[in-house]
Amino acid sequence: DTGVSQDPRHKITKRGQNVTFRCDPISEHNRLYWYRQTLGQGPEFLTYFQNEAQLEKSRLLSDRFSAERPKGSFSTLEIQRTEQGDSAMYLCASSESGSLETQYFGPGTRLLVL
Amino acid sequence: AQSVTQPDIHITVSEGASLELRCNYSYGATPYLFWYVQSPGQGLQLLLKYFSGDTLVQGIKGFEAEFKRSQSSFNLRKPSVHWSDAAEYFCAVSRKEYGNKLVFGAGTILRVKS
Repeated sequence: DTGVSQDPRHKITKRGQNVTFRCDPISEHNRLYWYRQTLGQGPEFLTYFQNEAQLEKSRLLSDRFSAERPKGSFSTLEIQRTEQGDSAMYLCASSESGSLETQYFGPGTRLLVL
Repeated sequence: AQSVTQPDIHITVSEGASLELRCNYSYGATPYLFWYVQSPGQGLQLLLKYFSGDTLVQGIKGFEAEFKRSQSSFNLRKPSVHWSDAAEYFCAVSRKEYGNKLVFGAGTILRVKS
């Protein structure tokens, strides 16, 4: 069990560019979550998948954001036309669905939009 | 709306002293409760969790937490703090009825002085 991994760990981009982040969950976990954390705040929920189905999206997730989990394994989070306000840490977590669910987090991708 | 309050933004304790970090929640029903720790630039590591049963739960690294339903609290404690405990601590809640997504507090930064 190698834990949740995320790539890249850091990304610097210019305003208006598109970026894509990848998350690889713990292999037997069927749920995958994305959170965003800004400086001085706790993480905020963005969206989650059960297998390949995207079951919920936060109102924080504007139409510039899209997430996929095409084969129910890894997931990608894409931000189009980045804005300076998108600068944050993007965290991925995975879990096994069930009534006593525990989420395990990856190391995060830190995005800086210049 | 569900919310989590961590009243202390920063706490400084001496190495070897005891520690208590406060967490209060507002939720429609008794939620599942978690404490995570985050070192600078890193993801979140699960310290402990409460689903039901014994209200005093033990976690990793010598941490424990007590659930008090009457006070809607889930405070984190450690009898003797080590310099390596310096980090940011997040309390979080979830509930199956709300899709098991985590709602986090704003965090408490722990500083340990030698």
